Amino acid sequence: NAGVTQTPKFRVLKTGQSMTLLCAQDMNHEYMYWYRQDPGMGLRLIHYSVGEGTTAKGEVPDGYNVSRLKKQNFLLGLESAAPSQTSVYFCASSYSYSPLHFGNGTRLTVT
Amino acid sequence: GQQLNQSPQSMFIQEGEDVSMNCTSSSIFNTWLWYKQDPGEGPVLLIALYKAGELTSNGRLTAQFGITRKDSFLNISASIPSDVGIYFCAGHEGKGGGADGLTFGKGTHLIIQP
Repeated sequence: NAGVTQTPKFRVLKTGQSMTLLCAQDMNHEYMYWYRQDPGMGLRLIHYSVGEGTTAKGEVPDGYNVSRLKKQNFLLGLESAAPSQTSVYFCASSYSYSPLHFGNGTRLTVT
Repeated sequence: GQQLNQSPQSMFIQEGEDVSMNCTSSSIFNTWLWYKQDPGEGPVLLIALYKAGELTSNGRLTAQFGITRKDSFLNISASIPSDVGIYFCAGHEGKGGGADGLTFGKGTHLIIQP
């Protein structure tokens, strides 16, 4: 099993550009999450989804949008990238009451 | 939301030494999780704790769910170079780790000098 797969692994954007980060899981998990990791800040929840077609805001949702059209995929979009969105983004998935399984991250730099 | 205080922030130790780190909260959690993140990778679950007072081992790692439900400890015995990484604690208000209600500590950076 691949587990949680994130694409791309690295990306450089210019301020104002848009992009979509892709997350796919093959564990049939109901819940999926997007976190960002910044030095000294730990992991902060951006958005999450408790099932296909549903999404909810986390701790730091501003500037991001998400969609869960299929159970196995969770997309994170940046409509107009800003330097403050330079970070490492992690996708995770889980059953409703089980620990999270994380992907290996996408390193995004916004110049 | 709830906050976790994880300490120490970083540790520089010699290979073979034992390691101790902990997380404390002002609020009660019903689940404590410990993750490890290797450089360039995502966090991987090490140990999950679901009951106050529970002591669980995973090889050289031992974690405890504090009796007050407001803290948890992780110990690593006889450290080796591959123990290098960032260790995160996470507390959950419910029984498990999914969905909302999960709070992460800021991590402990473990650096081992051979």
